[in-house]
Amino acid sequence: EAQVTQNPRYLITVTGKKLTVTCSQNMNHEYMSWYRQDPGLGLRQIYYSMNVEVTDKGDVPEGYKVSRKEKRNFPLILESPSPNQTSLYFCASSFGDEQFFGPGTRLTVL
Amino acid sequence: GQNIDQPTEMTATEGAIVQINCTYQTSGFNGLFWYQQHAGEAPTFLSYNVLDGLEEKGRFSSFLSRSKGYSYLLLKELQMKDSASYLCAVRVHSNYQLIWGAGTKLIIKP
Repeated sequence: EAQVTQNPRYLITVTGKKLTVTCSQNMNHEYMSWYRQDPGLGLRQIYYSMNVEVTDKGDVPEGYKVSRKEKRNFPLILESPSPNQTSLYFCASSFGDEQFFGPGTRLTVL
Repeated sequence: GQNIDQPTEMTATEGAIVQINCTYQTSGFNGLFWYQQHAGEAPTFLSYNVLDGLEEKGRFSSFLSRSKGYSYLLLKELQMKDSASYLCAVRVHSNYQLIWGAGTKLIIKP
C-alpha cells in the first residue's frame, strides 16, 4: 500500500531533550516536506527536500533540522525542543500535483 | 507577501449545498488545491485547478478565477461525514511548494 508513515504518533517530552520524528514514504517520491499545524494558523512549512541530499528551509525552520540521506526517509530533528514547538506535525511527499500526508505526530513539549 | 483567506467556520444542513470560498494574493500562481482534513487526521487531496472554470468530481466541484484571485469548493448533497476542515492551497511556482490557507471548518447539522 502506497503510504507515508511517521513515528511516533504521539510524544510528550521536556524542554531541551533532543528528539527525532521519523518519516518514510514507499512511493519513490522525490519531494518531501515537513509541516506544523497550529489552531488558526493552517499548515506552515518547516523544511522541504527536492531530492536526496537536497534540503531547504520553509517558512518556520528555526529550532528544527532535517536530513535526506536516502530517498524514502526524511527525519525531523529537534535538537533542543521548547514549549512553543508543541504542535501537530505532518510529513508529506509528492511526485506530481498531489501531496500525500503522513498520519501526523502530536508533540507536546513541557 | 503571500496571503490566502478562507472563512474560519461554516454551518450547513445535511442534504443541502454549501460553497466554501478562498481568495488569494500571491507573487505567482501555478495551481490551486483543495484538501479535506477530518479532526486529528491528515489532509487528503480533493481537487486541483490551474485553468479558469469549474472542475466537477462527484458531489464536489471546484471553481477558479485567476483574474479575481478567487476559488470556491462546492459540496452537494451534504452528508454528516463531510464535517471536516477544508484547506485551500496555492502553488506559487513550478515546484512543489504550497502556500496554505488556515482552513474552513464545516459543521453539518442533521
